[in-house]
Amino acid sequence: AQSVTQPDIHITVSEGASLELRCNYSYGATPYLFWYVQSPGQGLQLLLKYFSGDTLVQGIKGFEAEFKRSQSSFNLRKPSVHWSDAAEYFCAVGAGEENNDMRFGAGTRLTVKP
Amino acid sequence: GAVVSQHPSRVICKSGTSVKIECRSLDFQATTMFWYRQFPKKSLMLMATSNEGSKATYEQGVEKDKFLINHASLTLSTLTVTSAHPEDSSFYICSARDRLFYEQYFGPGTRLTVT
Repeated sequence: AQSVTQPDIHITVSEGASLELRCNYSYGATPYLFWYVQSPGQGLQLLLKYFSGDTLVQGIKGFEAEFKRSQSSFNLRKPSVHWSDAAEYFCAVGAGEENNDMRFGAGTRLTVKP
Repeated sequence: GAVVSQHPSRVICKSGTSVKIECRSLDFQATTMFWYRQFPKKSLMLMATSNEGSKATYEQGVEKDKFLINHASLTLSTLTVTSAHPEDSSFYICSARDRLFYEQYFGPGTRLTVT
């Protein structure tokens, strides 16, 4: 079964600084990869996803992520963080075309300093 | 875009009672819906997969008699927590998968507190 590791539990960055959130996955075939953001007490909002094709994917809110098969990684990046980006970020991997079995990482909590 | 709603957003119930949570796909048809549970400051744990017109598939360790799931139509799935106890207090999130595109859309979640 697939699994996801987010090595960083909590990250603090200054507003305007760049951001990279790490995600490593384990899956035998080509994974379906996702990044979601969750504000306190809210549901999940999809930031971006990778199914196939270009390994650099652009998402909403200025986020991007790069799929690196050799490193089994799908790190999320943003060149300049805004205070409103403070939230919990989850990486997820789905299996197979029907994507039935989605597994989430433990999440990374992002704090933005003024 | 695809919207999934959950009702109620918050519910407080007494120990021993049952509570029903609804998950609706508002602008698309979902043959499959998923129920997740999220503990404070933790990730989402898949509880069960619900297919329209058939029995739900529960993950290992999830009590099917306690967490009753009904997926009666292509736009509605319900989760009933029966004989709730304080340890059932949690944030429950549903998602719905578009029947045409293999992507899950998440609801806003339901905060259940059992007193």
